Amino acid sequence: EPEVTQTPSHQVTQMGQEVILRCVPISNHLYFYWYRQILGQKVEFLVSFYNNEISEKSEIFDDQFSVERPDGSNFTLKIRSTKLEDSAMYFCASSKNTGELFFGEGSRLTVL
Amino acid sequence: AQSVTQPDIHITVSEGASLELRCNYSYGATPYLFWYVQSPGQGLQLLLKYFSGDTLVQGIKGFEAEFKRSQSSFNLRKPSVHWSDAAEYFCAVGASRDDKIIFGKGTRLHILP
Repeated sequence: EPEVTQTPSHQVTQMGQEVILRCVPISNHLYFYWYRQILGQKVEFLVSFYNNEISEKSEIFDDQFSVERPDGSNFTLKIRSTKLEDSAMYFCASSKNTGELFFGEGSRLTVL
Repeated sequence: AQSVTQPDIHITVSEGASLELRCNYSYGATPYLFWYVQSPGQGLQLLLKYFSGDTLVQGIKGFEAEFKRSQSSFNLRKPSVHWSDAAEYFCAVGASRDDKIIFGKGTRLHILP
């Protein structure tokens, strides 16, 4: 069964460093999303992406964040200068106009 | 904007007992409703979804949920829980197909042997 894959599964970084989280959505999906979950808290929407552009973003998704689909298969989330409060599990999801979002296993980011 | 309330942060039930997890949503039109399950350290797995039609929907792992428009609810039920059902359960709502979905805060389910 096709699935969304995310790398790395865990990344530890120093505050102020740039981080890129990678996602390979399901191949025939058209809509892509990033969510985050701070430890013990709810899953929060960050951004949605369709037709090579951001379709919606939340208040969390400030200028420190960016997304890109560089090569038609990967979907990346970049955090330019990480802060302690960016420590969280980041989930990528994709969908194919069926209304069902398929989530990856997540990338745990730890900012020291 | 849509929102979801899961009033129970933790629920504990005995193995073999029935389960009901509550979810209330806020949205002006007919919502798209979901239940996801997250085991510790794992990703989010879709249990079931409601878009339209029959208000009682069946999902995986023996779960079902009922959409009640008059109560703005979408409660999850299972007639007999198994120890492997211990996990965090998230209710979520979307405004349309492929729109973002908004999650509730989750209910952690504990199973007593």
